[in-house]
Amino acid sequence: AQKITQTQPGMFVQEKEAVTLDCTYDTSDPSYGLFWYKQPSSGEMIFLIYQGSYDQQNATEGRYSLNFQKARKSANLVISASQLGDSAMYFCAMREGLLDSSASKIIFGSGTRLSIRP
Amino acid sequence: GAVVSQHPSRVICKSGTSVKIECRSLDFQATTMFWYRQFPKQSLMLMATSNEGSKATYEQGVEKDKFLINHASLTLSTLTVTSAHPEDSSFYICSASAGRRWLVGDTQYFGPGTRLTVL
Repeated sequence: AQKITQTQPGMFVQEKEAVTLDCTYDTSDPSYGLFWYKQPSSGEMIFLIYQGSYDQQNATEGRYSLNFQKARKSANLVISASQLGDSAMYFCAMREGLLDSSASKIIFGSGTRLSIRP
Repeated sequence: GAVVSQHPSRVICKSGTSVKIECRSLDFQATTMFWYRQFPKQSLMLMATSNEGSKATYEQGVEKDKFLINHASLTLSTLTVTSAHPEDSSFYICSASAGRRWLVGDTQYFGPGTRLTVL
């Protein structure tokens, strides 16, 4: 079974509009973390935002916010006022077992290619 | 934020040769490093997890003898693709974590990736 599901393979958005990238996850671990990464065409993975399973509030980082709905197991990324430089692949990822003594692996979704139109 | 470097950024080699890729954490000690492989237009697939001073843990389906991983110090891990073949051509990305278990959400920081082309 897929642990991380991103159902939008590609999206086109007009510049300055807000955009929501969907992500649902599956875990039975009560302790987990959710991440969003951006991968431009150059290939590097850029960390955007993090949400912990015990966090009471939705995470925000500048223009990025994470709409965390725990009961629905969704962690959608919202980008406000999109810019041309936001065009990239976006990956949702999850790390389970945060209480484990060792750093546990991150599992990635299939990604969403976001294209911003001028 | 933390910086992770990879070297080389691109490598082209002949079939049958071995290629070594280095991953370094520049401003923090990485107790754990991860190696990923990414085919064009696909997601990152974890190959192995390496902890400093111990043997790497490989994901199912990844050949240990083909992809040799050495995590000799807290700032360096190497991936050696032995006897490379054209099907090994891919984008290889490493990430590093300080393994701070008391810090919920300890982030993995990624290197810039290495594009391997085997002719």
